[in-house]
Amino acid sequence: GVTQSPTHLIKTRGQQVTLRCSSQSGHNTVSWYQQALGQGPQFIFQYYREEENGRGNFPPRFSGLQFPNDSSELNVNALELDDSALYLCASSLDVTRNTEAFFGQGTRLTVV
Amino acid sequence: LAKTTQPISMDSYEGQEVNITCSHNNIATNDYITWYQQFPSQGPRFIIQGYKTKVTNEVASLFIPADRKSSTLSLPRVSLSDTAVYYCLVVSDRGSTLGRLYFGRGTQLTVWP
Repeated sequence: GVTQSPTHLIKTRGQQVTLRCSSQSGHNTVSWYQQALGQGPQFIFQYYREEENGRGNFPPRFSGLQFPNDSSELNVNALELDDSALYLCASSLDVTRNTEAFFGQGTRLTVV
Repeated sequence: LAKTTQPISMDSYEGQEVNITCSHNNIATNDYITWYQQFPSQGPRFIIQGYKTKVTNEVASLFIPADRKSSTLSLPRVSLSDTAVYYCLVVSDRGSTLGRLYFGRGTQLTVWP
């Protein structure tokens, strides 16, 4: 399955954070989502074979990396209070096909 | 991508059949209808996907009329463990948005004993 670490994190405004995701083996596409309380997940960006393959309406201080060993990272610089949310990683078999996305359990980020 | 509209909340009792309807008036020819389920503090989980007519799996059925402007997720004989948020999504089969999921606020289904 898809696993994320850490499960919970508290950071101070202005700091930087790195969230990690381990994709399902063999999946070449990873997407990240931000879910605020009471809202549906919002698409941040997608990586396909280690290259960014599209971004949602999020500023450049949100960045990511995808590695060839089924691991990925979401980095957020200059944290703001509104960045407090559940961050979800999802992997899918192949972005060129309409396939099911498998989500991790998420990382709960709190910015104080 | 087509916008979806679904009820904010629904209530049911154990053992009943639940039908959640989703409206997607601007669905395009290459779009599929997909439903996800989400429990608190967990990531969404794929339930079912369809293009037209009826699709059934071990968890649910999905009914899509000929004009594809709406769809209905049917959960047979719900139990307390089906209490969750259900999201209806229109997913493109091609183009720049392929593979991306755009979630609305979903339907909070509460099942009572």
